[in-house]
Amino acid sequence: EAQVTQNPRYLITVTGKKLTVTCSQNMNHEYMSWYRQDPGLGLRQIYYSMNVEVTDKGDVPEGYKVSRKEKRNFPLILESPSPNQTSLYFCASSLSNAGAGNIQYFGAGTRLSVL
Amino acid sequence: RKEVEQDPGPFNVPEGATVAFNCTYSNSASQSFFWYRQDCRKEPKLLMSVYSSGNEDGRFTAQLNRASQYISLLIRDSKLSDSATYLCVVPLDAGNNRKLIWGLGTSLAVNP
Repeated sequence: EAQVTQNPRYLITVTGKKLTVTCSQNMNHEYMSWYRQDPGLGLRQIYYSMNVEVTDKGDVPEGYKVSRKEKRNFPLILESPSPNQTSLYFCASSLSNAGAGNIQYFGAGTRLSVL
Repeated sequence: RKEVEQDPGPFNVPEGATVAFNCTYSNSASQSFFWYRQDCRKEPKLLMSVYSSGNEDGRFTAQLNRASQYISLLIRDSKLSDSATYLCVVPLDAGNNRKLIWGLGTSLAVNP
């Protein structure tokens, strides 16, 4: 089954404790991105990757890191989480970033609370 | 004007009703558009793509008005299961990245 898998689905942590949210897709998609979704602010892109070893900042990259060592995986790293990073996070992948290839397939989401 | 703007609703309609949402966008160069559906606390899922003047899929019709820079989503014969938030998405070329601009969504509640 074609899917994007995120883990964990729920996470409660404390300020400053490094964490990683994993994302994996099995569709051989080139383009992957991370979003956060907050009430009243909608979906905002954190980072994106156009291919292996190619990553770039989205609209709200501060406090986050990513890596793309393999095509299928795109982990999101919070080196020192803070309460303002409490949010619902989505990983998404698409075949490309143009035309019909731009259709996004989302993971089920990770609900993160930073205390 | 915001890059993508939607009426947040909520739209409360009875089963069987026809409901329409509009989405306005500011970038006149945008060529393709998307409607996604998001159920509460779940991931967005593609509902329809719009590449030319419009698209129809069963009870759902999306129309594009380039002159006025808006796309609409029409839902006929509403079902209880149509209750969700509908997100309008407009690609925007930004350097070498075609980023997606997401609307905040329109909330629909279909009541029995």
